[in-house]
Amino acid sequence: EPEVTQTPSHQVTQMGQEVILRCVPISNHLYFYWYRQILGQKVEFLVSFYNNEISEKSEIFDDQFSVERPDGSNFTLKIRSTKLEDSAMYFCASVTGASGANVLTFGAGSRLTVL
Amino acid sequence: AQKVTQAQTEISVVEKEDVTLDCVYETRDTTYYLFWYKQPPSGELVFLIRRNSFDEQNEISGRYSWNFQKSTSSFNFTITASQVVDSAVYFCALSENTGGFKTIFGAGTRLFVKA
Repeated sequence: EPEVTQTPSHQVTQMGQEVILRCVPISNHLYFYWYRQILGQKVEFLVSFYNNEISEKSEIFDDQFSVERPDGSNFTLKIRSTKLEDSAMYFCASVTGASGANVLTFGAGSRLTVL
Repeated sequence: AQKVTQAQTEISVVEKEDVTLDCVYETRDTTYYLFWYKQPPSGELVFLIRRNSFDEQNEISGRYSWNFQKSTSSFNFTITASQVVDSAVYFCALSENTGGFKTIFGAGTRLFVKA
C-alpha cells in the first residue's frame, strides 16, 4: 500500500538552528500538508501546498517557516531559527486532489526536539 | 470558521464496556466532511471514517458505529464491547470544500480500556 515517508524520524537541534524536515508524498497525490502536534496536544494545521505554491496557511506558519517541493518527489518544511516551542511531532500528509472529501494519508511523523 | 470540539479529554472504561466519544462541530459551509482518526500509543494517525454533510445515515463497522446529527452538529463515535487494543487518542476532524481544503482536528479524547 502506498505510503507517505518522512525523514528524519527524530531530530534534536539547538535553539536558533535551522531544521529541514523531509517528506515524500504518495506519487500520484497533488495536495500536500504539514501538521504539528505538540506532545499530548491536538493536531494543528500548518500549511497546505498545491501546484508548487502555498494554498493556505495557519497563524502558526509565520516567517520562520517555509515549504517547498524542490523536485518531483520531496516536500520539505524548513524552520529557519528554531525556538523551544517548536518542539513537536510534525506530520506530513497528502491527498489525491483538491477536495475537502479527501482522506489525509499521514506519514509516521518527524519528532523535533529543540534544546 | 471551522471548529471541532471534543469535550471529553480522557475516558477510562473496563474491557467489554461500551463507550461513546462525543464530537461537536461548527462550520458555515453547507458542504463539509467529518472524520474520525485514531492515534494509538505508537503515534501514527489512522483514518477510521469519513461522512459528508449530505449523508446523515449512521454507519456501523464491526464494533464501531458513528451517529451523525446535523440538527445538533454532532458526530459521535461509539465503540461496543471495548477492548484493550482500543486504547488510543481519538480525533474528530472537519474539512470544508473551500480554500486550502484543510482538515481541522478536535483536541482529541484519550481512551483507556482496562483489562
